[in-house]
Amino acid sequence: EPEVTQTPSHQVTQMGQEVILRCVPISNHLYFYWYRQILGQKVEFLVSFYNNEISEKSEIFDDQFSVERPDGSNFTLKIRSTKLEDSAMYFCASSGDRGLNLYGYTFGSGTRLTVV
Amino acid sequence: AQSVAQPEDQVNVAEGNPLTVKCTYSVSGNPYLFWYVQYPNRGLQFLLKYITGDNLVKGSYGFEAEFNKSQTSFHLKKPSALVSDSALYFCAVRVFNDYKLSFGAGTTVTVRA
Repeated sequence: EPEVTQTPSHQVTQMGQEVILRCVPISNHLYFYWYRQILGQKVEFLVSFYNNEISEKSEIFDDQFSVERPDGSNFTLKIRSTKLEDSAMYFCASSGDRGLNLYGYTFGSGTRLTVV
Repeated sequence: AQSVAQPEDQVNVAEGNPLTVKCTYSVSGNPYLFWYVQYPNRGLQFLLKYITGDNLVKGSYGFEAEFNKSQTSFHLKKPSALVSDSALYFCAVRVFNDYKLSFGAGTTVTVRA
């Protein structure tokens, strides 16, 4: 079964530093997403991306965040200047359509970001 | 705004007994409902979804869920739980014109041998 791959699995960074979280979605998928899960809290939507542009974003996704699909296979989330409250598990997901096909959305294993 | 409630933080059952994980939702319009499972240090794995049609949906690993529009519920069930079903379960909802999933807070299921 195809998988969504995320790297790294863990990242520790100092407050104020830039981080880039990387994801390789399923190859024939067209819609890409980032979600995050702060420890002990629910999974929250950050952003969706289709046709090389953001299709929807949440209020969490402020100017410190950006997404990019630099080479047709990778999908990245950049946090420009990390804050302590950015510490969370970040999940990448992809779907072949709007998530209504047989398997819905496929999620990666996540990147645990710790800001110190 | 769409939202999901999972009223139980934890569910404990004995192996072989039925397992139910509760989920209720609130949306404007027709809901599309999903269940995901998360094992330790793993991503979210898709179990099943309801889009339209039969209210009883069968999914992976012997799980099923019943869509009840009048009660706005989508409870996850398994007739005979296994120890390996111990994990964190998330219910999620979206509507047609919206790409994003709204997740519940999750229910930790522990199945004891």
